[in-house]
Amino acid sequence: GAGVSQSPRYKVTKRGQDVALRCDPISGHVSLYWYRQALGQGPEFLTYFNYEAQQDKSGLPNDRFSAERPEGSISTLTIQRTEQRDSAMYRCASSSRASSRGRETQYFGPGTRLLVL
Amino acid sequence: GENVEQHPSTLSVQEGDSAVIKCTYSDSASNYFPWYKQELGKRPQLIIDIRSNVGEKKDQRIAVTLNKTAKHFSLHITETQPEDSAVYFCAARTSNYGGSQGNLIFGKGTKLSVKP
Repeated sequence: GAGVSQSPRYKVTKRGQDVALRCDPISGHVSLYWYRQALGQGPEFLTYFNYEAQQDKSGLPNDRFSAERPEGSISTLTIQRTEQRDSAMYRCASSSRASSRGRETQYFGPGTRLLVL
Repeated sequence: GENVEQHPSTLSVQEGDSAVIKCTYSDSASNYFPWYKQELGKRPQLIIDIRSNVGEKKDQRIAVTLNKTAKHFSLHITETQPEDSAVYFCAARTSNYGGSQGNLIFGKGTKLSVKP
């Protein structure tokens, strides 16, 4: 079946502009995670959802970052008033069940490469 | 919060040799430890994972061991092949019994090069 998809794959924007990054999880997957991955580093957690509920947003760097998943499927990560330091690969991942013990496999999307000029 | 340390940062082996990558974690409540392989320009792909109720898991040439007492886990690749060359990330799942799930905390990665 189809894996996790993200759009756009590449986004170049000017400092101060807002950007919206989209994630399409694997169909039926309950949990959706957003990560940021700097070049040569491991993914850094930003936020995650179970269904439409945002469970943890402790990884969001500041209040310019927000995320939503209104219908429990597609999610959008929005960065307002972008800054050059926001440039990175943004990846989402999804998993199939909301386990009470957090034991699920996460499948990653291809990422959106954001470049803020 | 959870902190994951990964060593070495780079590893070069000859084809056919074994490779071992080690990770330590800080949160004793963590209970799930996946390993991801990331080839250049591609997404991380899960290659093996282990849960805290077992000490070892194997899948063909790949094995993972977990020592809960020492809070470390390791990835073992035997009979390495050039196509094993990639960056490998370990991760630990924090566990919050207060109601919400924990997220994955990743190590900084190990760049493995397998020379033919």
